[in-house]
Amino acid sequence: QVQLVQSGAEVKKPGASVSVSCKTSGYSFTGYYIHWVRQAPGQGLEWMGWVYPNSGGTSFAQKFQGRVTMTRDTSITTTYMELNRLRSDDTAVYYCARARLGDFSFDYWGQGTLVTVSS
Amino acid sequence: DIVLTQSPGTLSLSPGERATLSCRAGQSVSSNYLAWYQQKAGQAPRLLIFGASRRATGIPDRFSGSGSGTDFTLTISRLEPEDFAVYYCQQYGSSLWTFGQGTKVEIK
Repeated sequence: QVQLVQSGAEVKKPGASVSVSCKTSGYSFTGYYIHWVRQAPGQGLEWMGWVYPNSGGTSFAQKFQGRVTMTRDTSITTTYMELNRLRSDDTAVYYCARARLGDFSFDYWGQGTLVTVSS
Repeated sequence: DIVLTQSPGTLSLSPGERATLSCRAGQSVSSNYLAWYQQKAGQAPRLLIFGASRRATGIPDRFSGSGSGTDFTLTISRLEPEDFAVYYCQQYGSSLWTFGQGTKVEIK
């Protein structure tokens, strides 16, 4: 069965960086885009960008350009999202999600990783 | 970016009632790229509807999606206790994905 399993919660200070991993299994890793979506406490969903495991290509929402990196390691079917220069308003649950082929909706999601930014 | 506006913000209904949720786009959206998700507290979102009207695997037929252009609707024909949650619409266009702000369906 398809599974996306994320790394555990993180606490970071403002200005630091955080890396969240997303280990996938149960399907062809290089055949599907992986997206990252975040959700601040009590707020809605915010799309951050995607990584294509086949090529390593990426695309980001303008809001995060210059501050986010998304990479993959095909040997362990894992993608990573790194966010730099953290601010308090980056406190959120970060999700990875697999995009369906064709219509690009997100059919499988990780369990979420809480990142807390606090001095 | 295409802005999605969901209404109402909160819908207070009783089990067995019909729920109608609206998602309006700031400009035309391809029906192929309009999806709906359900999110319960402390859980990841779950895909309900893709392509505006197609149910995802395992989604009960009391959930249905419709609409085109700038106006889309998610209908839950008869609310079950497990349907009380927050619902989000999402669109893809011009290499960007956006979500609506969500509609909370709560027990009246």
